[in-house]
Amino acid sequence: GENVEQHPSTLSVQEGDSAVIKCTYSDSASNYFPWYKQELGKRPQLIIDIRSNVGEKKDQRIAVTLNKTAKHFSLHITETQPEDSAVYFCAASKTDSWGKLQFGAGTQVVVTP
Amino acid sequence: KAGVTQTPRYLIKTRGQQVTLSCSPISGHRSVSWYQQTPGQGLQFLFEYFSETQRNKGNFPGRFSGRQFSNSRSEMNVSTLELGDSALYLCASSLDWGATDTQYFGPGTRLTVL
Repeated sequence: GENVEQHPSTLSVQEGDSAVIKCTYSDSASNYFPWYKQELGKRPQLIIDIRSNVGEKKDQRIAVTLNKTAKHFSLHITETQPEDSAVYFCAASKTDSWGKLQFGAGTQVVVTP
Repeated sequence: KAGVTQTPRYLIKTRGQQVTLSCSPISGHRSVSWYQQTPGQGLQFLFEYFSETQRNKGNFPGRFSGRQFSNSRSEMNVSTLELGDSALYLCASSLDWGATDTQYFGPGTRLTVL
């Protein structure tokens, strides 16, 4: 089955700097890659997603890139703010089992003022 | 639109008991997936339902079961509870199945097994 690895497990950045989180997946049939942000005690919330027919997607300070050949995708957060502090999860799924998101282990991001 | 709701929000049970958790999807959403979240194992897929049919099942023992009703509401049941079943159980709903629609998560049910 699909295996998603996520690095780093923790990431400390200064406010205003950029943060990058990387994920690799094992199943070449995976074609949907969402990123979720989970604040302490709250539900995971989708922040951005990308499908396999797209190489890059951007939404304000957040961007995701996908390299299908290497089977890895990355989340980029620019101009980080204290409210970006949270746990970020990458995930992967595919068409015949799209509702079965396989999650990475998560990255604890801490933005210090 | 109201978001995904889950009841109860907190539950304390003892080993050997059974528990039923409920999930109401966003109005109009027909697919529901369930996940278990623990500090050690992270977010793990349990099962997904569409049109009252289980479409996929994760790698959990048979003590974990679920169902979906005609109004898309879903329940999951855990029988013969073990200490290791203590976790946050999250359900997520999406509009349809097979279209990589966004999954929206509920607030979760925090289950503690003593």
